[in-house]
Amino acid sequence: DAGITQSPRYKITETGRQVTLMCHQTWSHSYMFWYRQDLGHGLRLIYYSAAADITDKGEVPDGYVVSRSKTENFPLTLESATRSQTSVYFCASMRTGYQETQYFGPGTRLLVL
Amino acid sequence: DAKTTQPPSMDCAEGRAANLPCNHSTISGNEYVYWYRQIHSQGPQYIIHGLKNNETNEMASLIITEDRKSSTLILPHATLRDTAVYYCIVRVAGANSGYALNFGKGTSLLVTP
Repeated sequence: DAGITQSPRYKITETGRQVTLMCHQTWSHSYMFWYRQDLGHGLRLIYYSAAADITDKGEVPDGYVVSRSKTENFPLTLESATRSQTSVYFCASMRTGYQETQYFGPGTRLLVL
Repeated sequence: DAKTTQPPSMDCAEGRAANLPCNHSTISGNEYVYWYRQIHSQGPQYIIHGLKNNETNEMASLIITEDRKSSTLILPHATLRDTAVYYCIVRVAGANSGYALNFGKGTSLLVTP
């Protein structure tokens, strides 16, 4: 199916564990993004990628690592999870040009114990 | 990006038009007005955007005042499924603008039977 998907949808982990959140889009959009959403902060940009092998930091990158070896995938890794990383994570891809539009995935709900 | 002001909440009866206002008095000439919405527990969804002229698509209409200092999103026949938080975002489109979407607090629209 065309679109943007995220996996897993729900994840419970423990402090100090490594966690990888997956994001896959079928549109071949060049740009992809990771946001986190917390009560009181709205959505905040963690990292974004302009193309395969090109990534850059957003507003809150500390504690996260990204990679993008293929255009369609943009995984987000928490190298050593902390309780403050409990959040809902949204991946997005963007169609560029006049119709510049970001399309969001369904989200991953992460709980760090 | 210009700051936007939206009412925190609104109600609308099912089947009636929902008119959601947004003030953006500091908007610049090259900034677009975007509307997204987020239905509970889902990822944000693009609705519509415009620069100067009014725009319409299958989801909604966007009315931008002549001085571009405010706009209104119109859902012509609101349904219960339109209950969501609606975000008005003003930003420059393009490679030099930065791509993070500043969602702010938005307007929580409740559509009632």
